[in-house]
Amino acid sequence: EVRLVQSGAEVKKPGESLKISCKGSGYSFSSYWIVWVRQMPGKGLEWMAIIDPADSDSRYFTSFQGQVTVSADKSITTAYLQWSSLKASDTAMYYCARIASPGPNNWFDSWGQGTLVTVSS
Amino acid sequence: QLVLTQSPSASASLGASVKLTCTLSSGHSSYAIAWHQQQPEKGPRYLMKINSDGSHSKGDGIPDRFSGSSSGAERYLTISSLQSEDEADYYCQTWGTGIQVFGGGTKVTVL
Repeated sequence: EVRLVQSGAEVKKPGESLKISCKGSGYSFSSYWIVWVRQMPGKGLEWMAIIDPADSDSRYFTSFQGQVTVSADKSITTAYLQWSSLKASDTAMYYCARIASPGPNNWFDSWGQGTLVTVSS
Repeated sequence: QLVLTQSPSASASLGASVKLTCTLSSGHSSYAIAWHQQQPEKGPRYLMKINSDGSHSKGDGIPDRFSGSSSGAERYLTISSLQSEDEADYYCQTWGTGIQVFGGGTKVTVL
């Protein structure tokens, strides 16, 4: 069974850094790209960035370029999304999902359970 | 520009059927899409992928009540024999070279 398990909820202050994780299991982690998706309170889904765990090749949606960094460690089948300086507007639920093979230009066929990030002073 | 358009809401009675529409922007009528369901306070779940010819492939464990079809630039998700647990937001998703696109979502209410 394909599973993506995300790290737990976080409460941070503006300006703090954060790294959340997404651990894949039940499939060949290096063979499928991972996407990160944001959902702000009461809003729809927005894709942020995608990463190839095989070589860490990554692409960012223009709105998120320079705002976040994605990475992956294939040895522990885990992908990451990180911020160097959080803002209150980063408060949202963040999901990882697996992109169906092959390559980055495909649909999402499995989702993580989500990580709630709250940024408040 | 690749854009997906969805109606904000739809409703139908328990046991009835509802058909949701996702419309691809001009020039993109050959694109496949995927449907995802998000029940209240839960994460999204992949339902199915629909190709331009109407062929579709479902995710694991998706009931037969969920079906997909296609006509021109429109992609459909039909839910038959509506159950209370089908009350959810439904998002369509498509992709291009280097980009991913979501529709705005349709909130389905079971009356």
